[in-house]
Amino acid sequence: NAGVTQTPKFRVLKTGQSMTLLCAQDMNHEYMYWYRQDPGMGLRLIHYSVGEGTTAKGEVPDGYNVSRLKKQNFLLGLESAAPSQTSVYFCASSYAGSGNTIYFGEGSWLTVV
Amino acid sequence: GNSVTQMEGPVTLSEEAFLTINCTYTATGYPSLFWYVQYPGEGLQLLLKATKADDKGSNKGFEATYRKETTSFHLEKGSVQVSDSAVYFCALSDRNTDKLIFGTGTRLQVFP
Repeated sequence: NAGVTQTPKFRVLKTGQSMTLLCAQDMNHEYMYWYRQDPGMGLRLIHYSVGEGTTAKGEVPDGYNVSRLKKQNFLLGLESAAPSQTSVYFCASSYAGSGNTIYFGEGSWLTVV
Repeated sequence: GNSVTQMEGPVTLSEEAFLTINCTYTATGYPSLFWYVQYPGEGLQLLLKATKADDKGSNKGFEATYRKETTSFHLEKGSVQVSDSAVYFCALSDRNTDKLIFGTGTRLQVFP
């Protein structure tokens, strides 16, 4: 029972480097989300997708890009990492919209130095 | 816009104490309300939810009642255990934007 799987779990980047976080879900969910979690800020939505081939901006989208080429995968890209992007990133998915239970991955700890 | 306000933590309790974590919300319409729990080093998982006024959600000894008149969804447990130590997030579903809005989280620490 994999659920939502994120890779990598930990990564250290230098300022200006790029990287991609991978998210995979095996529950056939339509909706997928990327959140970041920072101390005292709770969870903030970066980007989300309501189905294969679609993406939309969330609350804090600047500096990030996403793609949903396959229904089960949702990729989060940082083109030019900045120290302000040091955070814990969570991928999540749900069968339909916000009234449904959202299932989270275990998180990816990213440090930008 | 819609928002969720939680009491600041940490909340520190002895085992078997009574727990209340306050949550109030601002929303147009009739959102669904949720409590999620995050154990150390893990992602969030749904603890309980309520979809309409006066509904009571319950799970693992925790419960919360959707109070429309006070716009609240306080989390309670009669007797906490050390294993309940975690961060608890209150959230509401925004039917206009179809997104989940989270509070800032409340850390609970239970000591034996």
